[in-house]
Amino acid sequence: DGGITQSPKYLFRKEGQNVTLSCEQNLNHDAMYWYRQDPGQGLRLIYYSQIVNDFQKGDIAEGYSVSREKKESFPLTVTSAQKNPTAFYLCATRGSGGYKNIQYFGAGTRLSVL
Amino acid sequence: AQSVTQPDIHITVSEGASLELRCNYSYGATPYLFWYVQSPGQGLQLLLKYFSGDTLVQGIKGFEAEFKRSQSSFNLRKPSVHWSDAAEYFCAVDPYGGATNKLIFGTGTLLAVQP
Repeated sequence: DGGITQSPKYLFRKEGQNVTLSCEQNLNHDAMYWYRQDPGQGLRLIYYSQIVNDFQKGDIAEGYSVSREKKESFPLTVTSAQKNPTAFYLCATRGSGGYKNIQYFGAGTRLSVL
Repeated sequence: AQSVTQPDIHITVSEGASLELRCNYSYGATPYLFWYVQSPGQGLQLLLKYFSGDTLVQGIKGFEAEFKRSQSSFNLRKPSVHWSDAAEYFCAVDPYGGATNKLIFGTGTLLAVQP
C-alpha cells in the first residue's frame, strides 16, 4: 500500500523533553515537508527537504530539528526549546513527474504537553 | 504582506444547497493554486488545482473552482452539498509557480451541513 505514514498518532511531551515524530513514505518522492497546524492559523511550514542529506528551514523552524538520511524518512524532533509545542503536525511529500507540483499529506500526529 | 485569505471562518449550509468558499491571494505573479479538504483529525486531501489554461477547473467529489486573475481569487464551488462534505477546507498557493514548491495556506473555512 503506497502512502505516507506518520507515527505515533498521539504523542505527549513532558517539560524539558525532546520528542521525535516519524514520517515514512514509500512513494519514491524526493521532497518532504513538515507543517504545524494550530486552530484558526492554517498550516505553517517548519522544515523541508528536497533531496537526501539536505534540508532547509521553513517559516517557524525555531525549536525544531530534522534529518534526512534516507529518501523514505524525514523525522522531526521537537526540542525543549520549543515552548509551545502543542499542535497537530503534518508531513507531506511532493509528487514527481506529472505530479511534481502537488503535495500529498500524511494523517498527522497530535502532540500535547503533559 | 503576501498572504492567502479565506474570509469565512465558518459556514453552514443546508444539504442540497449550493456552496461557494472564497479564497483571495496577494501574490503578484501567476501562482499555482490548490484547494485541500481535511476531515477532523486527518490529513489533507487534494480537491483540485490550477496551474494554467482553462480558468474553471474540475476536481473530485463534484467540486469546481474558478481562477479570476483580475480579482486575485480562486473560489471553490459545489452545486449541491452532501452531508459528507462537512469538513475544513484550505486554499493554498505556491507563489512562484513551482519554482520553490513551498505552499502558503489560508486559515481555513469550516463547513457544517445541516439536514
